[in-house]
Amino acid sequence: QKEVEQNSGPLSVPEGAIASLNCTYSDRVSQSFFWYRQYSGKSPELIMSIYSNGDKEDGRFTAQLNKASQYVSLLIRDSQPSDSATYLCALQGTSYDKVIFGPGTSLSVIP
Amino acid sequence: GAVVSQHPSWVICKSGTSVKIECRSLDFQATTMFWYRQFPKQSLMLMATSNEGSKATYEQGVEKDKFLINHASLTLSTLTVTSAHPEDSSFYICSARRSGATGELFFGEGSRLTVL
Repeated sequence: QKEVEQNSGPLSVPEGAIASLNCTYSDRVSQSFFWYRQYSGKSPELIMSIYSNGDKEDGRFTAQLNKASQYVSLLIRDSQPSDSATYLCALQGTSYDKVIFGPGTSLSVIP
Repeated sequence: GAVVSQHPSWVICKSGTSVKIECRSLDFQATTMFWYRQFPKQSLMLMATSNEGSKATYEQGVEKDKFLINHASLTLSTLTVTSAHPEDSSFYICSARRSGATGELFFGEGSRLTVL
């Protein structure tokens, strides 16, 4: 089983809608979770980090973590065409461990 | 913010030559840097973990003699692709973590290597 799994997409949502991106992982000792956004031909940029169960909100973005179920999600409210990108879920085990990335979900926001 | 600069952003070389890519943390010290490779429409694959003042730790399947990593200071790590071949053509991305910090990585702009 792969360590980090995401639906490859593409996920298409109309402008203004909520985009929901999901990620599951297999390593129960994972403690830190991240969502990165990557535009085509560019390097990833950090959107959210989440470390404890529950929701974490930052502007239009909400990360949700459920360690018991081993999933983490990202909600994007009021989606904009500029949100069209690949979203990478990443996780880290214990402190100072390497960060492992999922395959990414391609999001397309249709004007 | 935490800025990581990578150079060159793109390079074209002939098969058999070596190419060096630099990764610098501009406004923070980075004990640990990570080198990733990304093929088109694929995710980031960790190649190696670069630790300041010690040998890099390579992921399984990555040839350490082909991908030489040096982390001589707290702000600079280099990746040298030796005897490059067309199959080495890829997008190479470095990332850094603040010394003493955990988790969040800050990425360089990436270096696109094309081997003819």
